[in-house]
Amino acid sequence: EPEVTQTPSHQVTQMGQEVILRCVPISNHLYFYWYRQILGQKVEFLVSFYNNEISEKSEIFDDQFSVERPDGSNFTLKIRSTKLEDSAMYFCASSAGEQFFGPGTRLTVL
Amino acid sequence: DAKTTQPPSMDCAEGRAANLPCNHSTISGNEYVYWYRQIHSQGPQYIIHGLKNNETNEMASLIITEDRKSSTLILPHATLRDTAVYYCIVKKGRGSTLGRLYFGRGTQLTVWP
Repeated sequence: EPEVTQTPSHQVTQMGQEVILRCVPISNHLYFYWYRQILGQKVEFLVSFYNNEISEKSEIFDDQFSVERPDGSNFTLKIRSTKLEDSAMYFCASSAGEQFFGPGTRLTVL
Repeated sequence: DAKTTQPPSMDCAEGRAANLPCNHSTISGNEYVYWYRQIHSQGPQYIIHGLKNNETNEMASLIITEDRKSSTLILPHATLRDTAVYYCIVKKGRGSTLGRLYFGRGTQLTVWP
């Protein structure tokens, strides 16, 4: 069964550094999402992406964040200058109807 | 999107049916009821969705009341691997163009041997 994959599974970075989280969506899906979950908190929507542009973003998704689909398979989330409060699980999802989630990347900012 | 209310926790004996309730009294006519679950810190997993009629798939059944103000997710024979947080989400339309999923706190289901 096709699934969404994410790399790396765990990323440790220093505050102020840039990180790129990678996702490979399900191959025939056209809609892509990023969500995050701070430890012990709810899953929160960050951004949705369709047809090579952002279709919706939350208030969390500020200028420090960007998304890109650099080729036909990858979908990336970049955080330009990480803060301690960016530490969270980041989930990618893709959809052709229902949203299917990847296993997540645990980002730890020190 | 309409708000949902779920009990914070429930438990169930292994092999028995788990019935997870959800209230969505402000649901509007074009909003679907979706159920997802999250096992430990894994990514949320889609379970089932419905609009008006009851639905069944290989994972679960979804019973929606006639007035659509509440629903119940049924896991017919719960196993230990069904221990997870279950989220009831109401979302406009079925198509992906209609955006984000709003996750609440969900119901922590614990299945005990």
